[in-house]
Amino acid sequence: GENVEQHPSTLSVQEGDSAVIKCTYSDSASNYFPWYKQELGKRPQLIIDIRSNVGEKKDQRIAVTLNKTAKHFSLHITETQPEDSAVYFCAASGNDYKLSFGAGTTVTVRA
Amino acid sequence: GAGVSQSPRYKVTKRGQDVALRCDPISGHVSLYWYRQALGQGPEFLTYFNYEAQQDKSGLPNDRFSAERPEGSISTLTIQRTEQRDSAMYRCASSLGDRNWGETQYFGPGTRLLVL
Repeated sequence: GENVEQHPSTLSVQEGDSAVIKCTYSDSASNYFPWYKQELGKRPQLIIDIRSNVGEKKDQRIAVTLNKTAKHFSLHITETQPEDSAVYFCAASGNDYKLSFGAGTTVTVRA
Repeated sequence: GAGVSQSPRYKVTKRGQDVALRCDPISGHVSLYWYRQALGQGPEFLTYFNYEAQQDKSGLPNDRFSAERPEGSISTLTIQRTEQRDSAMYRCASSLGDRNWGETQYFGPGTRLLVL
């Protein structure tokens, strides 16, 4: 089955700086890569996703890149704000729909 | 509109008891998924329904776990003869079901199960 690895496990950044989270996946058949943000005690919420026919996608301060050859994808958050503090999960799925998640990155934005 | 809802939100039970966890997906969502999330970890896939058909149950840990969605809407995850290792957050998700792949899954608030 699919194996998704996520790094780093914790990330502390100064407000206004950028944050980058990287994930690798093992199954070359995976074609959908969502990112979820989970605040303490809340449900995971989709913040951005990318499909295998696209190399990069941006939504305001958030961007995701995908390198299918290397089987890795990354989340970039620019101009970080305190409300960006949360746990971020990457995930991957193929045509079987089930999402395989990374272990999560705890992001802390220091004011 | 209303999101995915789950009940109960918290369940404390004694080892050996059966529990039933309920998921109510977003109205009109054809696909429904169950995941289990351990503390500090990402959700782990358990099972998937398309309408009332259980298409994939490869993630169910053993035969004490079962799930159903008899009318293609509400789903129930049942754990028989609970064990302490079953303690976790159980999350349900749903998606529209109108794509062949790459559908956005919307998660519910989860049921926190504690087996004493």
